[in-house]
Amino acid sequence: EAGVAQSPRYKIIEKRQSVAFWCNPISGHATLYWYQQILGQGPKLLIQFQNNGVVDDSQLPKDRFSAERLKGVDSTLKIQPAKLEDSAVYLCASSFGASVSYEQYFGPGTRLTVT
Amino acid sequence: AQSVTQLDSHVSVSEGTPVLLRCNYSSSYSPSLFWYVQHPNKGLQLLLKYTSAATLVKGINGFEAEFKKSETSFHLTKPSAHMSDAAEYFCVVTSGYSTLTFGKGTMLLVSP
Repeated sequence: EAGVAQSPRYKIIEKRQSVAFWCNPISGHATLYWYQQILGQGPKLLIQFQNNGVVDDSQLPKDRFSAERLKGVDSTLKIQPAKLEDSAVYLCASSFGASVSYEQYFGPGTRLTVT
Repeated sequence: AQSVTQLDSHVSVSEGTPVLLRCNYSSSYSPSLFWYVQHPNKGLQLLLKYTSAATLVKGINGFEAEFKKSETSFHLTKPSAHMSDAAEYFCVVTSGYSTLTFGKGTMLLVSP
């Protein structure tokens, strides 16, 4: 089966600019996650969707980050305006359901560099 | 609250020798524990998971881990390292429907 797709794979922007990342989950997966992985650290959950509803966005910096999953399939994560500390790999993952009994499948990530 | 500590940031082994990657966890509830592997420019891949069944868990590529509640540990082992095992490994803890909490990762280096 096709895996989780993400684009772009790499992005370089200047601080205060905006950027958007796209994720296409595995077909049939109701739960979608966005993680931020800063160099030298493990991934940190930014937001979790169940279909097109937000389940958990407690660690999303809402003053600059936004995410949507309008039709319950693809998702977009946006940063506006970007700061230097947003430089990281942004990972998208999907699973059949929200329970830990369902494996999360990760995409290859988008590496963002903010200069 | 939950947390995970990976005790080594880097582990170096020779090909054919045993691998031990150490992980300690903290959780207020009965935890589920996972090990993920991340190869360069590839997505995270699940190696194995513990969800309150057998304490010795076997995963893919010959890896296994043992859940020790008394020691709050979930160390990852493999009897014989292969060059293709070189990657970064993450220990992960969660409970029920709570979010996954990742450790900082252990980079495994395998020399010929």
